[in-house]
Amino acid sequence: DSGVTQTPKHLITATGQRVTLRCSPRSGDLSVYWYQQSLDQGLQFLIQYYNGEERAKGNILERFSAQQFPDLHSELNLSSLELGDSALYFCASSVGWGLANYGYTFGSGTRLTVV
Amino acid sequence: DQQVKQNSPSLSVQEGRISILNCDYTNSMFDYFLWYKKYPAEGPTFLISISSIKDKNEDGRFTVFLNKSAKHLSLHIVPSQPGDSAVYFCAASSRLSGNTGKLIFGQGTTLQVKP
Repeated sequence: DSGVTQTPKHLITATGQRVTLRCSPRSGDLSVYWYQQSLDQGLQFLIQYYNGEERAKGNILERFSAQQFPDLHSELNLSSLELGDSALYFCASSVGWGLANYGYTFGSGTRLTVV
Repeated sequence: DQQVKQNSPSLSVQEGRISILNCDYTNSMFDYFLWYKKYPAEGPTFLISISSIKDKNEDGRFTVFLNKSAKHLSLHIVPSQPGDSAVYFCAASSRLSGNTGKLIFGQGTTLQVKP
């Protein structure tokens, strides 16, 4: 157990629908990161939050949005889902806003399947 | 634009021999590099890292080499063990200039160590 909790572990939904993925960071970590891993692809950076504020943004689609709440948990909202959104979505956390020597700690991911 | 590339999707080695995983990058602003290991149904876990001011970093059986002029890094595992069988991701960061936690990942190399 890495200490980063992601729910749900699996999600199957239809095209056009909206889903919310949840992440609880490791205790004491203020930064949360979201990554997408599509089939045979590396992890693609989506967005970073630090202590409730957006810190960095990657190639996140306009249909996707995220936020970090006062209790530091984060949610990634995916709307108007398309078949190509099927992927593993990872959340990670770290203490500070910059990159630690060890990078950061990942959760076990949410596998999203859009049918 | 794939800034970090792992050109070998898979690698198979015999137990006890050396495993060499390679990674190339294109962005000269990258100044910190990490290797992550990923088992099925788990998130990536940090393995070893190297700063651009060094050309080698060693941690037990794992050594990372960095060749800045060639924009190439490699991970050596000696001796390889069956438990090392996993997907290995190379990742890079512009740690000094960007001051965010954003990591750029390669596509991953699946290592199989045969008993």
